[in-house]
Amino acid sequence: KNQVEQSPQSLIILEGKNCTLQCNYTVSPFSNLRWYKQDTGRGPVSLTIMTFSENTKSNGRYTATLDADTKQSSMHITASQLSDSASYICVVSDRGSTLGRLYFGRGTQLTVWP
Amino acid sequence: EADIYQTPRYLVIGTGKKITLECSQTMGHDKMYWYQQDPGMELHLIHYSYGVNSTEKGDLSSESTVSRIRTEHFPLTLESARPSHTSQYLCASSERTALSYEQYFGPGTRLTVT
Repeated sequence: KNQVEQSPQSLIILEGKNCTLQCNYTVSPFSNLRWYKQDTGRGPVSLTIMTFSENTKSNGRYTATLDADTKQSSMHITASQLSDSASYICVVSDRGSTLGRLYFGRGTQLTVWP
Repeated sequence: EADIYQTPRYLVIGTGKKITLECSQTMGHDKMYWYQQDPGMELHLIHYSYGVNSTEKGDLSSESTVSRIRTEHFPLTLESARPSHTSQYLCASSERTALSYEQYFGPGTRLTVT
């Protein structure tokens, strides 16, 4: 069964600190892995997208890593800001679907305190 | 910033009422999607469309229906709303990129059925 598991479920950090979010998946055949940021009451916004051959992808203070062998990904946020408070969702796409089938994790709810 | 719009943003309605959630995009994307998301849970695909006059049911069974008469418009209708329909509904559209199908999400409609 294709699944995406994220940890931790929630995380509280102080402004300026770094944090790392984890994602494990069982989706096969694998096409790509995305990290989305979803602010409360808004739709998800794409942060990074990585294919099988990519190990790391950065978008400003956001850096995603991918280990396709162990089917694990992480999202590292450096020098956190209050605006980073949001849900971070790991999404995996399978290669066999012309629809662009996406499998969503439940997200990690990040809260940044001043 | 993706040009995909949803109205209304918030809706509180009584049981038994008929409602239509609007979704429109100005990017000319052929593929469009409706997702349902409960608090702290993953997004579930309830409907999708490959293009005009094409609609399919997603993974999560839903009593809602959709139509796609124009490329830019993908409304979702509930003939008789029930409290179990209370949820957030997210519309998305996608374009074919070199990697995969990049999905762009609207801001969502928060529906409450009393």
